[in-house]
Amino acid sequence: NAGVTQTPKFQVLKTGQSMTLQCAQDMNHEYMSWYRQDPGMGLRLIHYSVGAGITDQGEVPNGYNVSRSTTEDFPLRLLSAAPSQTSVYFCASSAGYDEQFFGPGTRLTVL
Amino acid sequence: AQSVTQPDIHITVSEGASLELRCNYSYGATPYLFWYVQSPGQGLQLLLKYFSGDTLVQGIKGFEAEFKRSQSSFNLRKPSVHWSDAAEYFCAVGERPGTYKYIFGTGTRLKVLA
Repeated sequence: NAGVTQTPKFQVLKTGQSMTLQCAQDMNHEYMSWYRQDPGMGLRLIHYSVGAGITDQGEVPNGYNVSRSTTEDFPLRLLSAAPSQTSVYFCASSAGYDEQFFGPGTRLTVL
Repeated sequence: AQSVTQPDIHITVSEGASLELRCNYSYGATPYLFWYVQSPGQGLQLLLKYFSGDTLVQGIKGFEAEFKRSQSSFNLRKPSVHWSDAAEYFCAVGERPGTYKYIFGTGTRLKVLA
């Protein structure tokens, strides 16, 4: 049981490049979410999903896209990276209104 | 809109001293309440949670938290801090029942002096 996995662990992009941050969970959780963590800002919700085919925006969705085709996977796409998207990204999953299990994070730098 | 406030950005305590980390929330009803801990370079780990019932909840690593409805607070406490408790602590609320949205506070970084 791997829990929540995220790839890659580190990534450096140039402004305007695109990339996908991968997130997978093997706990059959309905709820998955993406957060970004910036110094002094805590964790801010980007997008979340309550099940396959269902996604919604969080607090800071601009510049990010998501889709959820399976229960296990919830990728986060940056279509045109900007320096303001330099951050640490965490994926999390939970079984309803309960404890969220977090992945180890992806540290993204946009030059 | 609901919000979570952790008024202390940094706290320093001596090893063996007691600890209290403050958390206040703004929400129309009683939300689900959580405390998470993040060690450097790691993801977040749940310390404890409150859904209903006894307002004093026990968590892992000797932590406890008390829900006070009248003060909209959910403060985290530990009677005797260990050096390994040095980390960042986040309070979070989840809407009830709601949209599965969780709001996190900005965190309190704990430093422990030997």
